[in-house]
Amino acid sequence: GDSVTQMEGPVTLSEEAFLTINCTYTATGYPSLFWYVQYPGEGLQLLLKATKADDKGSNKGFEATYRKETTSFHLEKGSVQVSDSAVYFCALSYMNSGYSTLTFGKGTMLLVSP
Amino acid sequence: GAGVSQSPSNKVTEKGKDVELRCDPISGHTALYWYRQRLGQGLEFLIYFQGNSAPDKSGLPSDRFSAERTGESVSTLTIQRTQQEDSAVYLCASSRQEIRSGNTIYFGEGSWLTVV
Repeated sequence: GDSVTQMEGPVTLSEEAFLTINCTYTATGYPSLFWYVQYPGEGLQLLLKATKADDKGSNKGFEATYRKETTSFHLEKGSVQVSDSAVYFCALSYMNSGYSTLTFGKGTMLLVSP
Repeated sequence: GAGVSQSPSNKVTEKGKDVELRCDPISGHTALYWYRQRLGQGLEFLIYFQGNSAPDKSGLPSDRFSAERTGESVSTLTIQRTQQEDSAVYLCASSRQEIRSGNTIYFGEGSWLTVV
């Protein structure tokens, strides 16, 4: 079945450091890929998405490129801020039997210190 | 509405009682999902609705859990005879459902359930 694997956290960085959170997936079809973010005490928010191979999703300084050859969708940011501290979820979705399914990774906690 | 709305936002209940959690999806979204997130865990899929029917109930953890959706809008997740292990955040999400990939799924802020 479909699955998403993320690097385990927590990831601890100092402000202005470079961030990479790895995400790989297995899927039988051609999924869309997403990163969701969950700030402390809040619900899940869509951060960015990519719908086909080689697409790059970007938002709030975060980027991720859909790499079909390596089945990956790694999240990157050039300079993190304390306010980026949150849990990040990688997910995939595609149409199967006429409806979308959505599969999440287990989440990676990011802690950024001043 | 502008976003997915869930109620109650917080619920504390005694073990053995029944609870109902409500979800109002974004207007026009035919697909609706329920997920559960236990403390320190990832998201567990519970059930999916397409319109008023539920083609995928595979994630419901036991027969104490049930869900319905009426009028292709509001959905209610019911947990009967709650147990302490039911304590979690219950997340509802919705999306348009079209025959192409890339449908973005939007989440509500969740209903935080604590069973004491």
